[in-house]
Amino acid sequence: AQSVTQLGSHVSVSEGALVLLRCNYSSSVPPYLFWYVQYPNQGLQLLLKYTSAATLVKGINGFEAEFKKSETSFHLTKPSAHMSDAAEYFCAVRRGADGLTFGKGTHLIIQP
Amino acid sequence: DAGVIQSPRHEVTEMGQEVTLRCKPISGHNSLFWYRQTMMRGLELLIYFNNNVPIDDSGMPEDRFSAKMPNASFSTLKIQPSEPRDSAVYFCASIGAGGNTGELFFGEGSRLTVL
Repeated sequence: AQSVTQLGSHVSVSEGALVLLRCNYSSSVPPYLFWYVQYPNQGLQLLLKYTSAATLVKGINGFEAEFKKSETSFHLTKPSAHMSDAAEYFCAVRRGADGLTFGKGTHLIIQP
Repeated sequence: DAGVIQSPRHEVTEMGQEVTLRCKPISGHNSLFWYRQTMMRGLELLIYFNNNVPIDDSGMPEDRFSAKMPNASFSTLKIQPSEPRDSAVYFCASIGAGGNTGELFFGEGSRLTVL
């Protein structure tokens, strides 16, 4: 069965600093992986997805993620944090035709 | 293009009352999912439909919860009777028939408070 684990329920960074949100997956088959962002009182919005075409995936708002099979990881990064990046971030793995299995989420806090 | 549309956005009700949440998926999408989000449990898949047919309802908490999809453009999630522990944000999401690489498109959610 596919699953994801997000390390750190809360991550705090200073504005302008590197953002690193960690996600490790467990899958018996080549995984399809996703990062979603949720702003307060809103639904989930797709940031980026990995579908085996390229290991480094670029998404919206300057975010990117690298698929590392040897580490079973799909960490999300952004070189320079902006105040508007404050949100909840979810890593997810596709479970075939059964939708997505989500991690617990990481709350990103941006310090001025 | 219209996204996934959910109603109501907010619902406050008293314990024991019936609650009906509604969802209109993106036109042309053939799979629909209901998720529940709470602080304690995160995002949980309750049930999903494929071509209007319920495929997996193993995530439905108990018999008080029921979901229907009478046609390709409408689904309901009903709680009867409601309890305070049902308070959560309920999300509907849909996906097209694009294989396993497609992403889910989420609605804005229905925030339910049961007093």
